[in-house]
Amino acid sequence: QSALTQPASVSGSPGQSITISCTGTSSDVGGYDFVSWYQQHPGKAPKLIIYEVSNRPSGVSNRFSGSKSGNTASLSISGLQAEDEADYYCSSYTSSSTLLLFGTGTKVTVL
Amino acid sequence: QVQLQESGPGLVKPSQTLSLTCTVSGGSISSGDYYWGWIRQHPGKGLEWIGYIFDSGSTYYNPSLKSRVTISVNTSKNHFSLKLSSVTAADTAVYYCARVGTQIGDPNWFDPWGQGILVTVSS
Repeated sequence: QSALTQPASVSGSPGQSITISCTGTSSDVGGYDFVSWYQQHPGKAPKLIIYEVSNRPSGVSNRFSGSKSGNTASLSISGLQAEDEADYYCSSYTSSSTLLLFGTGTKVTVL
Repeated sequence: QVQLQESGPGLVKPSQTLSLTCTVSGGSISSGDYYWGWIRQHPGKGLEWIGYIFDSGSTYYNPSLKSRVTISVNTSKNHFSLKLSSVTAADTAVYYCARVGTQIGDPNWFDPWGQGILVTVSS
């Protein structure tokens, strides 16, 4: 497995809620609670918004939440705002020699 | 709070060695609680993990790049460095450094990140 699978794009209207999936295997997402999520605005560095499946770093809005079921992790954004328009990447520890995998990335568009 | 800043040439010739440094401020690289890593992003593409180093000097590299990568640390200068040898146009990317959080010794998350540096491989 070279990358975790994410939908290429997700969109929603302001105020709505959206969910981004991140699908792996039992060797990564399903086997460990070491899933993290990153937000990346154009031309900027990624920013950690969720770590260890569902923990938010200090200063990150509580509109962002994470969860996991089986081999799929999910990032939910509630009360969608224009500033949430960005690319989102998941990451997971893996038992393979690669040790770390990133997701394929999801572009979130606020309609 | 901890901040990271990449530095180095923005243009490297094919077959040469790419060399970047990441300077850590607002905290000690020798805290012993984190790894220090490099990640790259090809233009318009996703993220690719390159490798990380502990303050003791122990390293781990992505197997796909292992034969060409060297990461080193200078605790007295509070910085760590990346060398990627025999570069080609396929190594053109934005290179980021980041602090790597761990759980029972396994790499877990990246935070914070440096602003990134675009390195172009071209003659």
